[in-house]
Amino acid sequence: SQTIHQWPATLVQPVGSPLSLECTVEGTSNPNLYWYRQAAGRGLQLLFYSVGIGQISSEVPQNLSASRPQDRQFILSSKKLLLSDSGFYLCASFTGPGPRGYTFGSGTRLTVV
Amino acid sequence: TQLLEQSPQFLSIQEGENLTVYCNSSSVFSSLQWYRQEPGEGPVLLVTVVTGGEVKKLKRLTFQFGDARKDSSLHITAAQPGDTGLYLCALINAGGTSYGKLTFGQGTILTVHP
Repeated sequence: SQTIHQWPATLVQPVGSPLSLECTVEGTSNPNLYWYRQAAGRGLQLLFYSVGIGQISSEVPQNLSASRPQDRQFILSSKKLLLSDSGFYLCASFTGPGPRGYTFGSGTRLTVV
Repeated sequence: TQLLEQSPQFLSIQEGENLTVYCNSSSVFSSLQWYRQEPGEGPVLLVTVVTGGEVKKLKRLTFQFGDARKDSSLHITAAQPGDTGLYLCALINAGGTSYGKLTFGQGTILTVHP
């Protein structure tokens, strides 16, 4: 079964600082990868998805960017963080229909101060 | 864009009570998933429902997919404090370049008091 590693678990960054969140996937190859953001106690909003190396699609206009340098590595970045970038960021992997097709990482809690 | 509405947003009950969470779509969906999430963790998949009228059971949890494939419900029998968490329904985009994208409902925060 696939496993997603996300780090760090928590992060406090000042406004205007850069950001790099990393997600790696084990136990599968050629997955679709996703970055979601979640407000406290609410549903998840899709930010970016990737169907392959170097292929990134953005869902909402924002201050963030994503990259996929390797098949099982997905990175979320920002050059200058805004207060509104605070939230809970989740990486997910999808390999197809079925009970184990969709897997989430444990998330990164980002607080911009 | 297909929208999902979940209700209620908050649910606070006593141990042993039953509850139902609803998820409704603006249009027909091909398949729907239910997740449970605890604070500081990623969502964990509970079930995927695909067929109209389908009913799936997972211990004390019963998931139902409406005949018209526009609504779904999650029923918990004899709730326990361990059921406390955020429950999310989500649509899977089943085609084209958007394959695998999830559209989430706003979630239901369930608190079960001992």
